[in-house]
Amino acid sequence: QVQLVQSGPELKKPGASVKVSCKASGYSFRDYAMNWVRQAPGQGLEWMGWINTDTGDPTYAQGFTGRFVFSLDISVNTASLQISSLTTEDTAVYYCARECGGDCSGHDAFEIWGQGTLVTVSS
Amino acid sequence: QSVLTQPPSVSGAPGQRVTISCTGSTSNIGANYDVHWYRQLPGAAPKLLIFAHTNRPSGVPDRFSASTSGTSASLAITGLQADDEAAYYCQSFDSRLGVWLFGGGTRLTVL
Repeated sequence: QVQLVQSGPELKKPGASVKVSCKASGYSFRDYAMNWVRQAPGQGLEWMGWINTDTGDPTYAQGFTGRFVFSLDISVNTASLQISSLTTEDTAVYYCARECGGDCSGHDAFEIWGQGTLVTVSS
Repeated sequence: QSVLTQPPSVSGAPGQRVTISCTGSTSNIGANYDVHWYRQLPGAAPKLLIFAHTNRPSGVPDRFSASTSGTSASLAITGLQADDEAAYYCQSFDSRLGVWLFGGGTRLTVL
């Protein structure tokens, strides 16, 4: 079945870097864009940006430029998010979310979500 | 404060009907961008509930419906069940900011 499986929780110290992976299966990886969404503890959802899985071109939302990098490894159908110079404010659950296919094909909703990766930044 | 405004919480008794509003502006909902709705159960990832204003993905029961008018959208849930307790989020694109926006989320409590 179509699914996105993300890497496990991370505990990092301030100033370190982290890489979160999102492995896709059950569909043609390059056919659907991948989005990244952040959810701080007890807070709502915040769109970080997206990556074109066909060209590899990333687009970053305001507030997610500089320290945030979206990348792909097409050979293993995996999208990744790397965050550098971590601060405690980066503590959050990070989700990858695929654009619509199937039922909602042609629309721009986020149809398939990974299970989320908790990144905790603490000294 | 989110650009898409939702009430922080709503509640209803089992079997009742509740609605959740999502108020935007002329640069997002009012600009005819699609509105989508998601449900997030406690400790789980969000799940697409409604796409493009009114459409349910397969597997979503017809107890869930939504509409959009002007700069606002609304999600309705009928026949409330205990496992409807979750956070509900609206989403739309904003042309002024150039970003996908989520509402602040509404926590539904089934009394």
